[in-house]
Amino acid sequence: GAVVSQHPSWVICKSGTSVKIECRSLDFQATTMFWYRQFPKQSLMLMATSNEGSKATYEQGVEKDKFLINHASLTLSTLTVTSAHPEDSSFYICSAPRTSRGGYTFGSGTRLTVV
Amino acid sequence: SQQGEEDPQALSIQEGENATMNCSYKTSINNLQWYRQNSGRGLVHLILIRSNEREKHSGRLRVTLDTSKKSSSLLITASRAADTASYFCATDETSGSRLTFGEGTQLTVNP
Repeated sequence: GAVVSQHPSWVICKSGTSVKIECRSLDFQATTMFWYRQFPKQSLMLMATSNEGSKATYEQGVEKDKFLINHASLTLSTLTVTSAHPEDSSFYICSAPRTSRGGYTFGSGTRLTVV
Repeated sequence: SQQGEEDPQALSIQEGENATMNCSYKTSINNLQWYRQNSGRGLVHLILIRSNEREKHSGRLRVTLDTSKKSSSLLITASRAADTASYFCATDETSGSRLTFGEGTQLTVNP
């Protein structure tokens, strides 16, 4: 139980285009979703925290107009990378706390390559 | 977000040997977790230890936690080539709050 489904698992896009990444909680309600970014051979860095029905909270240095987060329902949170550039190429992964069981469940991640 | 430190950054051992990885953190914690990540893949949750626990076992894994030193260690016994991966510790300050990840240890187990 407590599965988060993340899609797509990988995407290649051209510079200047936008890419949407979805994370769905399949068997529980995710009122909060954390979005992380991981560059090669580095750790996961929190980008933003989304809460259902309210505006996302962004970490310092993360452009909210570039990384649009929507959490319109208790089972879906999306991250849209707008006007993507090669430096946005990274591994993006979402995570939701499992409040009833404790701990966290992670999506399988999205490998974004901007060419 | 603050990052914890992990050492070593890289560890290479032979199959059958034990692997020990250490993690230090900076803030008070609710619990500490260890994750494994195979190259280019998502995270696999290994074990969680609560702030009031000092040691926990799960199969070939042994985790210790020293809150006075703000440190934890992960021991993998009788390592296998399939254990080759990156290992991260992560802490949260309260239940359900953001996780802060350590910098990770790249473990290579040679057959």
